[in-house]
Amino acid sequence: NAGVTQTPKFRVLKTGQSMTLLCAQDMNHEYMYWYRQDPGMGLRLIHYSVGEGTTAKGEVPDGYNVSRLKKQNFLLGLESAAPSQTSVYFCASSYSSRREGLDEQFFGPGTRLTVL
Amino acid sequence: AQSVSQHNHHVILSEAASLELGCNYSYGGTVNLFWYVQYPGQHLQLLLKYFSGDPLVKGIKGFEAEFIKSKFSFNLRKPSVQWSDTAEYFCAVNPPGGFKTIFGAGTRLFVKA
Repeated sequence: NAGVTQTPKFRVLKTGQSMTLLCAQDMNHEYMYWYRQDPGMGLRLIHYSVGEGTTAKGEVPDGYNVSRLKKQNFLLGLESAAPSQTSVYFCASSYSSRREGLDEQFFGPGTRLTVL
Repeated sequence: AQSVSQHNHHVILSEAASLELGCNYSYGGTVNLFWYVQYPGQHLQLLLKYFSGDPLVKGIKGFEAEFIKSKFSFNLRKPSVQWSDTAEYFCAVNPPGGFKTIFGAGTRLFVKA
């Protein structure tokens, strides 16, 4: 099993350019998440999905859009990149059981994005 | 606001020293608790988790954590750290009935050889 994979690993954009980050998981998890990690700020949730075809806003959704057309994929889009979006982006997936609720998150390797 | 607080942002220890990292949360009810570790240049990995039962939880690499319900705390411990424990450590909470995990701001641990 590959677990959670992300593409690309690195990207440099100019202000105003657009791009899509792809996350894929092969664990049949219902829940998927996009976070950004900035120094001293921990992980901040951008958007998340509780199942195929559903998405919801997290803590810092502005400037980002997401789609979950297939259960295994969760795409994060930047329509018009800004320098404030320079960050490391992590995708994660998780599962839930009736007995124990939401379980651990499995993280991808991250995408380092620089916006000039 | 409900949150997860990690008391120390930076910790520096010598090898063989004991480690305790504090974590407090402000959610009522039954919560699921986690500690994750992020080694330099890598993604977050699970160290240990607590759902119910024995409040002293053992994880990988000699780490353990104690859940104290009355104090809303879930502190991470290791009796003797190694240089390879240099990493950032995140406490995380799944509030009751939710779909999201709330992460603390992280504690950067540097272990001197």
